[in-house]
Amino acid sequence: SQQGEEDPQALSIQEGENATMNCSYKTSINNLQWYRQNSGRGLVHLILIRSNEREKHSGRLRVTLDTSKKSSSLLITASRAADTASYFCATPTGKLIFGQGTTLQVKP
Amino acid sequence: SQTIHQWPATLVQPVGSPLSLECTVEGTSNPNLYWYRQAAGRGLQLLFYSVGIGQISSEVPQNLSASRPQDRQFILSSKKLLLSDSGFYLCAWSGGLWGITEAFFGQGTRLTVV
Repeated sequence: SQQGEEDPQALSIQEGENATMNCSYKTSINNLQWYRQNSGRGLVHLILIRSNEREKHSGRLRVTLDTSKKSSSLLITASRAADTASYFCATPTGKLIFGQGTTLQVKP
Repeated sequence: SQTIHQWPATLVQPVGSPLSLECTVEGTSNPNLYWYRQAAGRGLQLLFYSVGIGQISSEVPQNLSASRPQDRQFILSSKKLLLSDSGFYLCAWSGGLWGITEAFFGQGTRLTVV
């Protein structure tokens, strides 16, 4: 069963624009994690936000968490063609469950 | 530093043949280990996870099985492959208590059953 669900499923933007992806989950969490996957490769961890945090930054990434709405968002600012990838949220509820992901295409 | 090795990278197997995919972790002890399957353009489906040697939890009833013969070795197997077993298989590990730390992934195995 899926715990996290990303929205939108696909996103296409121009280089330099910002990209926002959303994740909704169902049960209580200790933390929420975002990952990136380049085509045909394994996933790479991007950022972890704990349940008592509301916002976290890492370089051009900004993650927010709203535990009352059971949702999180990932913002990539000033996107680059190299940001083209699939992005997944994951919620550890005794095991690590991933959503379906958002496929981001950044056009040069 | 910790590393995870998964092999082979690609595999083409006939229907009915056996399968063995291996994953090993270096640089850490007592990792939590995971096997995921990913269909084309889809999310990750958790197949098995393990918190210790010989401890395997199965998430989805299927044609596959997993074993953990050593602390840092996780094996995915099948006695007879089905066409529906085709997909991208990913091994991962995480440390610490459940869900406290991030997971690290291998590069994946692209399995095509023909």
